Amino acid sequence: EAGVVQSPRYKIIEKKQPVAFWCNPISGHNTLYWYRQNLGQGPELLIRYENEEAVDDSQLPKDRFSAERLKGVDSTLKIQPAELGDSAVYLCASSLMAGSSPLHFGNGTRLTVT
Amino acid sequence: RKEVEQDPGPFNVPEGATVAFNCTYSNSASQSFFWYRQDCRKEPKLLMSVYSSGNEDGRFTAQLNRASQYISLLIRDSKLSDSATYLCAVNIRGAGNMLTFGGGTRLMVKP
Repeated sequence: EAGVVQSPRYKIIEKKQPVAFWCNPISGHNTLYWYRQNLGQGPELLIRYENEEAVDDSQLPKDRFSAERLKGVDSTLKIQPAELGDSAVYLCASSLMAGSSPLHFGNGTRLTVT
Repeated sequence: RKEVEQDPGPFNVPEGATVAFNCTYSNSASQSFFWYRQDCRKEPKLLMSVYSSGNEDGRFTAQLNRASQYISLLIRDSKLSDSATYLCAVNIRGAGNMLTFGGGTRLMVKP
């Protein structure tokens, strides 16, 4: 089966610029996650979707971050404006269902804010 | 205290050695447990789920100790290719079924 697909693979922007990441989950996976991973740390959840509904976005910095999952399939994560501290790897993952199902990750978008 | 904690390492071991990592979790209501492997500059990939009775997959053995709230990963006969970061992940019930990751333990297997 095709895995989780993310784009772009790398992105370099100047601070205060906007940036968007795209994710296509594994077909049939209802649950989609956006994680952020800083160097030397584990992934930290930003937002989780069950189909189209964002069911856990408590860790999403809502002043500058937004996400959407139209039609319950693809998802985009946007940052506007970006700050230096946003430099990280943004990982999208999907699973059949939340909780007991393991996550399958995309290869991530490495964001560098200068 | 973090909800899921791991010793960051690195663990430097010779080929053929047996090495074990622990991962502690703070929420006793946690119900699902996983080990992921992450190579440098790559995404995490599922290594194995952790079952209550313990489970084995080749050279890898995972165990759960609910009383002490930790999971463990044992790697026997280490290979050079086992060098990676090992992340534990815990599903915390009551937190919206959110999967929380530890910071990872780095393993370096040397010839």
